[in-house]
Amino acid sequence: EVQLVESGGGLVQPGGSLRLSCAASGFTFSSYWMSWVRQAPGKGLEWVANIKQDGSEKYYVDSVKGRFTISRDNAKNSLYLQMNSLRAEDTAVYYCARDSPYSSSWGFDYWGQGTLVTVSS
Amino acid sequence: DIQMTQSPSSLSASVGDRVTITCRASQGIRNDLGWYQQKPGKAPKRLIYAASSLQSGVPSRFSGSGSGTEFTLTISSLQPEDFATYYCLQHNSYPQTFGQGTKVEIK
Repeated sequence: EVQLVESGGGLVQPGGSLRLSCAASGFTFSSYWMSWVRQAPGKGLEWVANIKQDGSEKYYVDSVKGRFTISRDNAKNSLYLQMNSLRAEDTAVYYCARDSPYSSSWGFDYWGQGTLVTVSS
Repeated sequence: DIQMTQSPSSLSASVGDRVTITCRASQGIRNDLGWYQQKPGKAPKRLIYAASSLQSGVPSRFSGSGSGTEFTLTISSLQPEDFATYYCLQHNSYPQTFGQGTKVEIK
């Protein structure tokens, strides 16, 4: 059974940093693109970033470029999102999602339960 | 960026109704589109991929169609468990973008 379990969310002050983790199991993690998707309270879904199977390609939405870094450790079956210079508008539930087993993204077939990040003083 | 315009933003329907939701892309995206269902407090669930392929385990009352810039999600006979918010997602080019969502409510 495919499982994605996020952790690392919490309350952080504006300008602060947080590192999210996603532990994957039930599939060959190293064979899939992986993504982070977020949802601000009461709002719609926003794709944040994704990373290729071997980590050689990474893409970000403009609003987080230069502040967020996506990474992965295939030996540990884990996905990460390092978030720096956090702003109030980054407040959201962050979902880890399994993307494509191919050479490009194709959407998300499995999602974690999400972890809440709150940026507030 | 490719803008995904979903309509309607909300609708009220009864059990057994046929429901259609539309997503329009600001430029052609071939069939690089999926449809997702989200219930309150839960993670989204993919219903349709590649515009018209049914995700494994999803009831056959859900169907998708379209290519290029116009896409449709149809629920042939609305069931009580289908009341939720639905999103389209384009993954043709970066950044991947979602529609703003369609909330399906009980009439």
